[in-house]
Amino acid sequence: RKEVEQDPGPFNVPEGATVAFNCTYSNSASQSFFWYRQDCRKEPKLLMSVYSSGNEDGRFTAQLNRASQYISLLIRDSKLSDSATYLCVVNRRGGKLIFGQGTELSVKP
Amino acid sequence: DAEITQSPRHKITETGRQVTLACHQTWNHNNMFWYRQDLGHGLRLIHYSYGVQDTNKGEVSDGYSVSRSNTEDLPLTLESAASSQTSVYFCASRPAAYTGELFFGEGSRLTVL
Repeated sequence: RKEVEQDPGPFNVPEGATVAFNCTYSNSASQSFFWYRQDCRKEPKLLMSVYSSGNEDGRFTAQLNRASQYISLLIRDSKLSDSATYLCVVNRRGGKLIFGQGTELSVKP
Repeated sequence: DAEITQSPRHKITETGRQVTLACHQTWNHNNMFWYRQDLGHGLRLIHYSYGVQDTNKGEVSDGYSVSRSNTEDLPLTLESAASSQTSVYFCASRPAAYTGELFFGEGSRLTVL
């Protein structure tokens, strides 16, 4: 079993839709959590950190459930420019960052 | 502006040859990482370093080595390239272990024939 697991998708949604991605992690000692975005053939970039109380950044909302070892990302009012692969990332104790395989999102007009 | 650069961006080599991928960052970051990305596997950690003279193995380190003689550089060496090492390689850095934001290079696409 992979340490960080995501549904690879692809998720195909129309513009304006709300879409949610899920991620589970197996190492209960994991300390911090993040969502990265990767455009096709480009380098990944930090989208947002995930805090225990949940956090929002514009149309993006991230949630963390430590008891269930589960992270989510909600995107509201999807834009064409949101099309990308979204990577769930876990920072282990000691500082190693472990990436999920990514969830591909395609937003259609 | 500070940055992280990888070279070469594209390389084709033959099985058995030694290959070195360069990674150079100008942020003075202590932490540096090498990942490989393959379809269906996402980003997998090869090696990482938390400072000069410090190197550590990641989850897929077999066949790869790194050295850290200064803060700016973490070259990745494939001692004897294999076709299974055909991949896109990303170098990344961050200032400290408690931060989650990695700054990535643009990637190096390696093909081993």
